Amino acid sequence: GAVVSQHPSWVICKSGTSVKIECRSLDFQATTMFWYRQFPKQSLMLMATSNEGSKATYEQGVEKDKFLINHASLTLSTLTVTSAHPEDSSFYICSARGGQGPNEQFFGPGTRLTVL
Amino acid sequence: GQSLEQPSEVTAVEGAIVQINCTYQTSGFYGLSWYQQHDGGAPTFLSYNALDGLEETGRFSSFLSRSDSYGYLLLQELQMKDSASYFCAVNGGATNKLIFGTGTLLAVQP
Repeated sequence: GAVVSQHPSWVICKSGTSVKIECRSLDFQATTMFWYRQFPKQSLMLMATSNEGSKATYEQGVEKDKFLINHASLTLSTLTVTSAHPEDSSFYICSARGGQGPNEQFFGPGTRLTVL
Repeated sequence: GQSLEQPSEVTAVEGAIVQINCTYQTSGFYGLSWYQQHDGGAPTFLSYNALDGLEETGRFSSFLSRSDSYGYLLLQELQMKDSASYFCAVNGGATNKLIFGTGTLLAVQP
């Protein structure tokens, strides 16, 4: 099956610093990647949709200048949390789809961000 | 707005059958998916319904009624390892983005 990896799996940073999270599709080309955020005991909230070679589409209420998304290749998308604050502490999950059917979306293992 | 409602918690015993309901209200609808997520893990795909009716995959079945904006996940022969959170998700448009439901925490007891 299709495999999606994320790096790092967890990160702790100081308030005010920026953190970059990578999402890679390992055995397929991902034309579209999605970024989600999940707070403890809550659902996954879609942050943005990222298409290779074009600007990401952000969901309502998500600050595009704070959460920078780059999808420079068909196997890599990055999410940078700029000037992170404690309220940004969360579980960030990416997913990817290639040319598969409409229900085929493969999730990465997630990155747990803790901002001190 | 868009919303997908699920019961917050369900408890059942090993070997039993449990049904997790999902009612949705979304601006677009291509299909309804179900995902399982163990604590701290990634969501894993369970089932997908694009058309009305029942889809069966082993111990798991999923049902959809588009006219009622309603679906459910049926888990049979429950096992302890089925204890997890279950999410319904609507595939809402041409981009195939998923809008997730509120999630149901299933606790399977011996």
